[in-house]
Amino acid sequence: QVQLVQSGGGVVQPGMSLRLSCAASGFSFNTYGMHWARQAPGKGLEWVAVIGHDGSYRKYAGSVEGRFTISRDNSKNTLYMQMDSLRVDDTAVYYCGRDLDLGRYLDYWGQGALVTVSS
Amino acid sequence: EVILTQSPVTLSLSPGERATLSCRASQSVGSDLAWYQQRVGQAPRLLIYGASNRATGIPAKFSGSGSGTDFTLTISSLEAEDFAVYYCQQGSNLPLLTFGGGTKVEIK
Repeated sequence: QVQLVQSGGGVVQPGMSLRLSCAASGFSFNTYGMHWARQAPGKGLEWVAVIGHDGSYRKYAGSVEGRFTISRDNSKNTLYMQMDSLRVDDTAVYYCGRDLDLGRYLDYWGQGALVTVSS
Repeated sequence: EVILTQSPVTLSLSPGERATLSCRASQSVGSDLAWYQQRVGQAPRLLIYGASNRATGIPAKFSGSGSGTDFTLTISSLEAEDFAVYYCQQGSNLPLLTFGGGTKVEIK
């Protein structure tokens, strides 16, 4: 069965960096695009970034462009999000998700990882 | 950016009742719309994509309809596990995916 297991959340100060990981299993990871989305405490969902199956295509939401970098290692079946210059308003639960239909939807989601940015 | 407006914000119903949730887009998204369910403390789960296609393993009590700017998610008969928050999401204005603000279906 499809599984996405996340790790790497935590508490950091503003301006610092953090890397999230998402380990995939149960499907051919190297044939699927992948997404990151986030949810601030008590709020709705926000799409963050997408990466193509081979890593050559990457797009970001305006709120994170230039600060966050999505990447993948198909040899390890793992998706990453490097988050630099973190701000207080980046505080959220971050979810990885498998792409469905060429970037249109997320059909399987990880369990989420809480990132708290606070001084 | 495509803005999705969901209504109502909260829907109070009893088990066994029918739930009708609405999602309106600020511009046409064709049929590129999905619905997700999020239970408390859990990740979202894809229910419907392409406006009316049920995702893998989703029971037939969930159905989606609509096109253009107006969409509906219907839950035919509510069970205890259906009380949750539901989000719509557009997949038309790529790569920028956007979500609606959510509808909470609560027990009356």
